Amino acid sequence: GEDVEQSLFLSVREGDSSVINCTYTDSSSTYLYWYKQEPGAGLQLLTYIFSNMDMKQDQRLTVLLNKKDKHLSLRIADTQTGDSAIYFCAESPRMDSSYKLIFGSGTRLLVRP
Amino acid sequence: DARVTQTPRHKVTEMGQEVTMRCQPILGHNTVFWYRQTMMQGLELLAYFRNRAPLDDSGMPKDRFSAEMPDATLATLKIQPSEPRDSAVYFCASGPPVGPAMNTEAFFGQGTRLTVV
Repeated sequence: GEDVEQSLFLSVREGDSSVINCTYTDSSSTYLYWYKQEPGAGLQLLTYIFSNMDMKQDQRLTVLLNKKDKHLSLRIADTQTGDSAIYFCAESPRMDSSYKLIFGSGTRLLVRP
Repeated sequence: DARVTQTPRHKVTEMGQEVTMRCQPILGHNTVFWYRQTMMQGLELLAYFRNRAPLDDSGMPKDRFSAEMPDATLATLKIQPSEPRDSAVYFCASGPPVGPAMNTEAFFGQGTRLTVV
């Protein structure tokens, strides 16, 4: 089955690191994604990782993938108040030649000054 | 500035009325997704299309919801009759053709906030 789970809420102080965790179920997912949703807006792709990679770094963002445990994490270094948003992880189960995106429930990140 | 356009942005309607939400995908994108976002259920995939053909609409209540793509520039999601439990934000997203790398990126519209009273 397809199921993506995330913790609902995370609060950090400005300047600290944030770590948002996610577990997924479908091992056929070729890519795993992190999206960000700011208030009143749609989701926006932040970063993604190919399933045969363990880690991907993109400026302040680090994605770690443990394929054995089906665990994905997003680390934001030097978290800023502008990073306050909802973060969604998503898997992309492969169905024949088609793909779809299944999202977790989202983690609301609150950055305190 | 390529973007997914959804109309209307907000809709308030009475229970029992028909609601039609529209989406214009990014030009050249051949995949269109419809998602519903609520506090309780999070982001649910309702349906998705590739090359205008519906691939999966198992997340959609069939008795009242319907999704179509009359042409490559327009996707519609219709609810008839609407019920208060349909109140949510409905997002449309489009994606480019899946290449050899098999990366499925979705670009989201700003959503239609539907309130059924």
